[in-house]
Amino acid sequence: SYVLTQPPSVSVAPGKTARITCGGNNIGSKSVHWYQQKPGQAPVLVIYYDSDRPSGIPERFSGSNSGNTATLTISRVEAGDEADYYCQVWDSSSDHSAVFGGGTQLTVL
Amino acid sequence: QVQLVQSGSELKKPGASVKVSCKASGYTFTSYAMNWVRQAPGQGLEWMGWINTNTGNPTYAQGFTGRFVFSLDTSVSTAYLQISSLKAEDTAVYYCARVHFGELDFDYWGQGTLVTVSS
Repeated sequence: SYVLTQPPSVSVAPGKTARITCGGNNIGSKSVHWYQQKPGQAPVLVIYYDSDRPSGIPERFSGSNSGNTATLTISRVEAGDEADYYCQVWDSSSDHSAVFGGGTQLTVL
Repeated sequence: QVQLVQSGSELKKPGASVKVSCKASGYTFTSYAMNWVRQAPGQGLEWMGWINTNTGNPTYAQGFTGRFVFSLDTSVSTAYLQISSLKAEDTAVYYCARVHFGELDFDYWGQGTLVTVSS
């Protein structure tokens, strides 16, 4: 089955840029979606199809995907961005299953 | 506005069954597949499978066959997850999440239902 690898944690100072990676074999050939989950809340879609933003998501959130790595970039990080972030793809090689990365906890210093 | 409203927390004993509901509103229920996602305490997201809201045909992920059943009542735009023969390791928050047919992203999620299995 397809595996997505995320760093367990990323720390960044307010106002700086956070980059959260999601590694997978030839992930650049897949569509990657990113979700933000704050404590005690349901996940929220923040980036879909590698780099599109749903309405209501700040422009500070952006995404890219190439080769074996997809990246979620959060510019001008705010305290309210502190959350867990998950990447997700669909694995068409195994009965078309959804696969989530293990999640990255973003800490704003 | 789009809403997925799930039923409340459940406390069950091992061996019992539980049925979680997910009521959709604000959109055409049959235009979106309904997925189920599990999150064990302190853990990440795990996809359980999905149900076709047009045909009622369920698809279960590996590890979620046998004791897990997805169902629908389209007359009230509601999806259900039933888990039988509950075990302590089934303790988790269960989310429903919709995906538009032909699309790949979970654009709206329910608020989650905590199922606790304890004697």
